[in-house]
Amino acid sequence: TQLLEQSPQFLSIQEGENLTVYCNSSSVFSSLQWYRQEPGEGPVLLVTVVTGGEVKKLKRLTFQFGDARKDSSLHITAAQTGDTGLYLCAGVELMNSGGSNYKLTFGKGTLLTVNP
Amino acid sequence: DAGVIQSPRHEVTEMGQEVTLRCKPISGHDYLFWYRQTMMRGLELLIYFNNNVPIDDSGMPEDRFSAKMPNASFSTLKIQPSEPRDSAVYFCASSKHWRDEQYFGPGTRLTVT
Repeated sequence: TQLLEQSPQFLSIQEGENLTVYCNSSSVFSSLQWYRQEPGEGPVLLVTVVTGGEVKKLKRLTFQFGDARKDSSLHITAAQTGDTGLYLCAGVELMNSGGSNYKLTFGKGTLLTVNP
Repeated sequence: DAGVIQSPRHEVTEMGQEVTLRCKPISGHDYLFWYRQTMMRGLELLIYFNNNVPIDDSGMPEDRFSAKMPNASFSTLKIQPSEPRDSAVYFCASSKHWRDEQYFGPGTRLTVT
């Protein structure tokens, strides 16, 4: 099983600040997903990146997949209190050539707190 | 759609007791996943099913854990006997296709004393 390291583990900032969190692996993934999890709830998908070098934007959130498909970053511009939550990255490994069997490996997450 | 439904939401039990967690996936989704989340280990995949067939159970910790999916709308995760180290939040998720988004349920918080 491939491992995903997320950093930082904890991040506390003031509203309006910018931030970047990272997701790194020594191995290549077919694609990578970012989820946000709020207390007492399950993770919710934010984005999937597939192509090396791909950049996707979701309002104030910018996601980038590394050229070698081993790492990814999430940048938040002008953070708001509503951005508070646990941000999880998950790498997709294909287990067979047909693509019907796969594994999703999660990092431990970055717990973001945005203070008013 | 109501989303993925899990029950119970909270379970407190004594060591040695049997625990059964239940999940109803979103209708029409072919994949169902069971995860466990702890502070120490994060979110771990335990097992997943495709069209009710278990595909990968390599994440199941040991023989005390078992999972079934008797039909497309119901799955169970059973722990027998339970131990304090099993305390965690257990999530069920479903997706239509392996490429698609996984929809998570609200989780079951299990405490084994």
